[in-house]
Amino acid sequence: AQSVTQPDIHITVSEGASLELRCNYSYGATPYLFWYVQSPGQGLQLLLKYFSGDTLVQGIKGFEAEFKRSQSSFNLRKPSVHWSDAAEYFCAVGAWGTDKLIFGTGTRLQVFP
Amino acid sequence: EAGVVQSPRYKIIEKKQPVAFWCNPISGHNTLYWYLQNLGQGPELLIRYENEEAVDDSQLPKDRFSAERLKGVDSTLKIQPAELGDSAVYLCASSTGQGTANEQFFGPGTRLTVL
Repeated sequence: AQSVTQPDIHITVSEGASLELRCNYSYGATPYLFWYVQSPGQGLQLLLKYFSGDTLVQGIKGFEAEFKRSQSSFNLRKPSVHWSDAAEYFCAVGAWGTDKLIFGTGTRLQVFP
Repeated sequence: EAGVVQSPRYKIIEKKQPVAFWCNPISGHNTLYWYLQNLGQGPELLIRYENEEAVDDSQLPKDRFSAERLKGVDSTLKIQPAELGDSAVYLCASSTGQGTANEQFFGPGTRLTVL
């Protein structure tokens, strides 16, 4: 069965520092992988997605993620965090042809000035 | 272009009362999803519609939950009767369909509190 693990419940960084949010997935075949961001009181917004091809994916707001099949990981990174990046981040895995997403439990990012 | 619209944004009810949530998807999006998001958790799919047809309702607790999408546009999710454990955020999303490749666009959600 598909599953997603986000090991870090809460991360705090200083503004301008680099960021890496971890995501590990379990899926028998090549997965579709997503990162969403949720600001307080808002719906989820897609940051980036990986289907195939280049394993380093660029997204919106300066985020990128790297798919590593050998580690079953899809970690999200940003070289320099802005205060506006404070939010909840969700990793999700999708199965080909099912149109169904399995979300992780999320990582809450706090940014200090 | 308007995004996914949900109403109400907040709802407080007493247990055993009925409650309904409404969702209007992005125009032209044939696929509509209802998700449940418990506090500190990621969204979990309740039901997915392709036009008027519910194609995946395996996670919908059918003893108290029901949903409809008449005319294949907006949708209503109902709980009757509500229980304390139903307190959560109910998210609606839509997409153009055609499999997982298409982005799901989420509404702001309805936060339900059951007292």
